Amino acid sequence: EAGVTQSPTHLIKTRGQQATLRCSPISGHTSVYWYQQALGLGLQFLLWYDEGEERNRGNFPPRFSGRQFPNYSSELNVNALELEDSALYLCASSIGQGPHTSGNTIYFGEGSWLTVV
Amino acid sequence: AQSVTQLDSQVPVFEEAPVELRCNYSSSVSVYLFWYVQYPNQGLQLLLKYLSGSTLVKGINGFEAEFNKSQTSFHLRKPSVHISDTAEYFCAVTTWGSGGSNYKLTFGKGTLLTVNP
Repeated sequence: EAGVTQSPTHLIKTRGQQATLRCSPISGHTSVYWYQQALGLGLQFLLWYDEGEERNRGNFPPRFSGRQFPNYSSELNVNALELEDSALYLCASSIGQGPHTSGNTIYFGEGSWLTVV
Repeated sequence: AQSVTQLDSQVPVFEEAPVELRCNYSSSVSVYLFWYVQYPNQGLQLLLKYLSGSTLVKGINGFEAEFNKSQTSFHLRKPSVHISDTAEYFCAVTTWGSGGSNYKLTFGKGTLLTVNP
């Protein structure tokens, strides 16, 4: 069974441009989560989508946005890129809403490295 | 608000030695606790989780963790480490908000475990 897949693996953008990252959840998972892992800052929660709707977002500016498609895949868009946006962006998925039962473990992809120059 | 503190940013040990990675959390409500491992250039993999029941939780690769409610801790242990255990380890906590809409999995900043021969 395929795990969470993310693309692209690496992306280099210029400051001010837009970046789009993509994520395909594990088959049967309806929830998708996005995290930013910047050097020295650990993992910061970005966004949670479930059944096509944004359920919660972390403390990030509005230029971080995304969406979830009917097939439960997701996109993360970062507009007006800044140098500080350089990070590993991790996508994760789970069945249903959150890891509160034994069946709802969150599974992570291998991430997309975004470098802003 | 919930938070996670991993007390050691780096833990160097020799092969076959025991190791303990410390994690403390703060939350005003009941929590679910997790340990994830991130090998170099890879995404996060779930090691173990505490949802309820026995406070001693056993995970993959010989790791275990003990939930201590009075000390608000969830320390990770392994009696004998291998070179292959070299990785970054993240403690995480989640709680439910009203109606589940405020779900957020909060991570600590990570502990880099380096196992030396």
